Amino acid sequence: GNSVTQMEGPVTLSEEAFLTINCTYTATGYPSLFWYVQYPGEGLQLLLKATKADDKGSNKGFEATYRKETTSFHLEKGSVQVSDSAVYFCALSDRQAGTALIFGKGTTLSVSS
Amino acid sequence: GAVVSQHPSRVICKSGTSVKIECRSLDFQATTMFWYRQFPKKSLMLMATSNEGSKATYEQGVEKDKFLINHASLTLSTLTVTSAHPEDSSFYICSASPAGVLETQYFGPGTRLLVL
Repeated sequence: GNSVTQMEGPVTLSEEAFLTINCTYTATGYPSLFWYVQYPGEGLQLLLKATKADDKGSNKGFEATYRKETTSFHLEKGSVQVSDSAVYFCALSDRQAGTALIFGKGTTLSVSS
Repeated sequence: GAVVSQHPSRVICKSGTSVKIECRSLDFQATTMFWYRQFPKKSLMLMATSNEGSKATYEQGVEKDKFLINHASLTLSTLTVTSAHPEDSSFYICSASPAGVLETQYFGPGTRLLVL
């Protein structure tokens, strides 16, 4: 079946540090991949997505590349800010199989100044 | 952008009572709405998928008689937790898809339910 595995948190970084949050997936079809972010007290927001292999999604300085050969979609940012502190969820949607979003367990990022 | 609201944002109730949570799409019509449950330090667990005007499809292990879902219009879905017990305490989140494309979902801010 389809599933998403992302690195356990929490991740604690200083401002301007480099961020990587690992995400790998298993899917029987051709999934679209997503990163969602949940700021404290708010609902989930789509951060970025990629719909096919080798696509790169990017938004707000965050990037993730759809790697079919390694079944990965790692989230990266070159220089994090305190305002990036949130919970990040990796997710997939397998349109061919007709599934809705399947989420990873979430990774909490805490950035200090 | 597309906005989804939930009401109430927080509710405390006594064991045995029923609680209704509303999910509204404010500026678009949602043909499909989803209800999730989020446990502490856990991912979102999909509870059910509802399409406007038809019965909800529940995920395995979710009691449909306990978690009643109604999607009566293209902008409103409700989740009623019947005869709530302390183990039902959780964070409930809804999302809505504007055009029936399951991967396009806009999320509500969530409802914190505490059953005493």
